[in-house]
Amino acid sequence: GESVGLHLPTLSVQEGDNSIINCAYSNSASDYFIWYKQESGKGPQFIIDIRSNMDKRQGQRVTVLLNKTVKHLSLQIAATQPGDSAVYFCADPSGGYNKLIFGAGTRLAVHP
Amino acid sequence: GAGVSQSPRYKVAKRGQDVALRCDPISGHVSLFWYQQALGQGPEFLTYFQNEAQLDKSGLPSDRFFAERPEGSVSTLKIQRTQQEDSAVYLCASSPGLAGGLHPEHYTGELFFGEGSRLTVL
Repeated sequence: GESVGLHLPTLSVQEGDNSIINCAYSNSASDYFIWYKQESGKGPQFIIDIRSNMDKRQGQRVTVLLNKTVKHLSLQIAATQPGDSAVYFCADPSGGYNKLIFGAGTRLAVHP
Repeated sequence: GAGVSQSPRYKVAKRGQDVALRCDPISGHVSLFWYQQALGQGPEFLTYFQNEAQLDKSGLPSDRFFAERPEGSVSTLKIQRTQQEDSAVYLCASSPGLAGGLHPEHYTGELFFGEGSRLTVL
């Protein structure tokens, strides 16, 4: 069925560098996307969302870019810090508004 | 606390045993969700409650899985006759509004997750 997936399972970056986590989606009718961060032993935590009528949305140190033409979105983290080390999931409600569909996740490892 | 609370945090069960996992959502949150997360995977939807009504149970993997929220607050996920493939982290989440809201433009996918209950079936 339709799904949200990720390109890379693991991303290693140096502290202070910018990080880019990518996500591809297959349902062209998807109109809303969301990023979650999950630290080890914890539940997912909301980071930022974007609707399909936008190409870009910025938060605190994070930016989400949406390219509907190629059905791709990315999460950019500026000046990555050790506290950013976690697994990042993109998700969308393609299964229905009561049912988020999560990708498999990308692990971000930040090295000093 | 102010967050979603789940218990037990860890549960080890022998194959065939029944288990019950509890979720205390954030007070006043209308919507409650259960997700299952296998090791190295993203969370997968199990079921959704709006207050006490279970509106969607399409993600429950078999009739051994049962969830309830009798008074519209605390929820329990019960797994009967556990099997090894049931080993996973079970995540509960809540949100203040209705899933979908009154208009899609008002929809938000911001769920507040608990820390999960890790079930290991031997």
